[in-house]
This record gives sequence, structure tokens and C-alpha cells, in this order.
Amino acid sequence: GAGVSQTPSNKVTEKGKYVELRCDPISGHTALYWYRQSLGQGPEFLIYFQGTGAADDSGLPNDRFFAVRPEGSVSTLKIQRTERGDSAVYLCASSFAKNTEAFFGQGTRLTVV
Amino acid sequence: GDSVTQMEGPVTLSEEAFLTINCTYTATGYPSLFWYVQYPGEGLQLLLKATKADDKGSNKGFEATYRKETTSFHLEKGSVQVSDSAVYFCALSTGGATNKLIFGTGTLLAVQP
Repeated sequence: GAGVSQTPSNKVTEKGKYVELRCDPISGHTALYWYRQSLGQGPEFLIYFQGTGAADDSGLPNDRFFAVRPEGSVSTLKIQRTERGDSAVYLCASSFAKNTEAFFGQGTRLTVV
Repeated sequence: GDSVTQMEGPVTLSEEAFLTINCTYTATGYPSLFWYVQYPGEGLQLLLKATKADDKGSNKGFEATYRKETTSFHLEKGSVQVSDSAVYFCALSTGGATNKLIFGTGTLLAVQP
């Protein structure tokens, strides 16, 4: 596609449920990032993939959060036992290589009720 | 740790007014500095960047100069337009193994006709 695509654009889930958020990066981009943006804050880094491997997951807040990128393209961010504090906009970005410009998707707005 | 502090908004200006949005940073080493913009309903877009001290980034009439002595990267535009209304984020990257971005909290700019 022309840009980074994230689905769904909005997700409402009940506390305690499991959710998956999907990111389709720009074709050919090897680097992929997930960020979380809480209301009134800037995006905060969660995890970085280079190819299929998670090269840096230091931003994941706890072990309820996990992300995969099995074929080096599409990535899925998985959140178990969701809590109301997980409500935020989850942003995905991709770049051709690690030190090149990152392009952001429009995000998935997650609301935990 | 590394951080970015930017001017709180909202900033409300009349069309053709001069814009300054202040940004200062704290970082070890020599970060690259960025301004991202988020227009209503759209994803984050890179507006401009500077990779070393005294570099000036510019795009769409916006400018910012990397000032190492004051650890600042203030965004300026000589004459704003209604179409510049958006949220502006200052960010840094220290490169390294991840090249992740560290963002400020964002500044909402509203330009009135």
C-alpha cells in the first residue's frame, strides 16, 4: 500500500479481554516500531523490529503486552487481560532501514471499558 | 534519561502572524532532532529535522535550528496560515541500536482567519 496501514482504527473492549492490533508497514520497509500515545501526551516507544526479530522491546510496559512480526512484514501487537489504563492510541511506524525516516500510520484508538 | 520538553498549548494565532513553538531537550551524546506534525484526522508526518549542531531544518516555510549550547530546537514560521492548524511534536533520536524517537507532549496550534 501507499502508507502504513493500521487496523482496526477503533477498538472498544471490556476490561480483562484480549486484543490484537495489526500494522501493515510500507512494502520493503525492514524496520517497524510500535508507540503508544495516551491522551495529552506524546507517543512513547514500545517495541522495535528489524526484520522478523524484536531488536528492542524495552518499552513494553509489562508482560501483558507482546508483539510479533513473523514474516518480516505485518506486525501484530497483542494485549492480554486488558486494563482501563491501556486505553490509548497505538501507533505503528515503519522505515526502509533503521536510520531512515519513519512513516507513521493513523493509529488504533483502544478503549477499555 | 533522554527527554524533550516543549511549549504547552494551545497556541492561538491570527493568520499571517509569526509562530514560535519552544522545544528543549536533554540527551546523552549527540541526538538528531525532529519536528513532527499531526493534522486533524491524519497520522504523524515528519515536518523537518536536523542531525548536528547548528544545522537548520526547513520545510513548508517552517524552520528550526539545532542549538547545542542551549539544547534547543525551536520551531518558527514567519506567517502562519489556517491550514497550519495541527498538533506539533518535537522529538529526538540518539540513534544506537534502535533509533527510537522520544517525543515531547505536543503543542496544539490553532490559526484563525
